[in-house]
Amino acid sequence: NAGVTQTPKFQVLKTGQSMTLQCAQDMNHEYMSWYRQDPGMGLRLIHYSVGAGITDQGEVPNGYNVSRSTTEDFPLRLLSAAPSQTSVYFCASSYSTGNLNYGYTFGSGTRLTVV
Amino acid sequence: GQQVMQIPQYQHVQEGEDFTTYCNSSTTLSNIQWYKQRPGGHPVFLIQLVKSGEVKKQKRLTFQFGEAKKNSSLHITATQTTDVGTYFCLHGNTGKLIFGQGTTLQVKP
Repeated sequence: NAGVTQTPKFQVLKTGQSMTLQCAQDMNHEYMSWYRQDPGMGLRLIHYSVGAGITDQGEVPNGYNVSRSTTEDFPLRLLSAAPSQTSVYFCASSYSTGNLNYGYTFGSGTRLTVV
Repeated sequence: GQQVMQIPQYQHVQEGEDFTTYCNSSTTLSNIQWYKQRPGGHPVFLIQLVKSGEVKKQKRLTFQFGEAKKNSSLHITATQTTDVGTYFCLHGNTGKLIFGQGTTLQVKP
């Protein structure tokens, strides 16, 4: 049982490049989400998914795309990287029933630098 | 959407002193969760509170959910250097789960 696995752990991109941050969980969690963490800004929600085939925008979705074709995987795509997207990205998943979410399990994060 | 204010932003204490962080909302929260993030690490789930007036304890940590379900607190008794980190509250139903800004705790040995 690996929990939530994020790859890569570190990445440097040039402005304008695109890339996909991978996130996979093996806990059969319906709910998955992506957060970014910047110094002094806390954790801000980018996109989330309540199940396979369903995604929705969070607080800061611009410049990012997601898809959820399987329960296990929730990749985050940067379409055209900008220096403002330099951040630490966390993927998280949780079990949920009805209207209640039962506590996130976080991945170890991806440290992204855009130059 | 719901806005939750977490205070204080920073707290420096001497080892052995107590520490409290608060999350306050202008609207009723269905539930609230608390997380701890060590420096350089990822957030780790501590607890979830659902019921009005609920109080839960984990060793030296006491979590409370207000009677009106508009505020919550995390209290640490007799802090230790292992308590260093940032404590976040998280609120929301299934859907948009939003973190408070976090309280960073420094403990002087």
